[in-house]
Amino acid sequence: AQSVTQLGSHVSVSEGALVLLRCNYSSSVPPYLFWYVQYPNQGLQLLLKYTTGATLVKGINGFEAEFKKSETSFHLTKPSAHMSDAAEYFCAVTGRGLGGQNFVFGPGTRLSVLP
Amino acid sequence: DADVTQTPRNRITKTGKRIMLECSQTKGHDRMYWYRQDPGLGLRLIYYSFDVKDINKGEISDGYSVSRQAQAKFSLSLESAIPNQTALYFCATSYTGTANEQFFGPGTRLTVL
Repeated sequence: AQSVTQLGSHVSVSEGALVLLRCNYSSSVPPYLFWYVQYPNQGLQLLLKYTTGATLVKGINGFEAEFKKSETSFHLTKPSAHMSDAAEYFCAVTGRGLGGQNFVFGPGTRLSVLP
Repeated sequence: DADVTQTPRNRITKTGKRIMLECSQTKGHDRMYWYRQDPGLGLRLIYYSFDVKDINKGEISDGYSVSRQAQAKFSLSLESAIPNQTALYFCATSYTGTANEQFFGPGTRLTVL
């Protein structure tokens, strides 16, 4: 079975500061990991994903995430927050061989960016 | 034009009414999904379909039904709506393959009074 936890339902940072959104997962098989962003009144948009290979994954809008198997983590970072980054962020996991029915989302973290 | 569209975008209905939410996609994906989003719970899978003849229940299918009318169309029905079905509903699509990401529609905000 798969599950996802996201530490902090709400994170606030100042514009220009580091963004760190935490995601820990559990999976019974090697995981595929995803980060999505949801802007107000919109659907979810893929930021980045890890499947195999390099554990540091770069995505859109300057975000990146690192898969750490030993820590079962896939934290999302951005060196310098911009006002436009204010949104809700979801981490998701599925497992090799399990198919789309096991695409499990975390509860989400709302990011606020203060001027 | 959007690749995944949902209609209606907003709907207010009364307890006991039947309601249908529709999803269409132009991405050519074979897999389609219905999720509901509730604050603090993330997205939960209601139903999914891997092709026109393959429909499967998700985590929270009770009170819902679906129809895959064509590869590009997947509708969600609430046969007798109840207030705790008030939520934001999303349709998503993907190609076959575990590593493939899902693409989401803009959502339907449903309120059951």
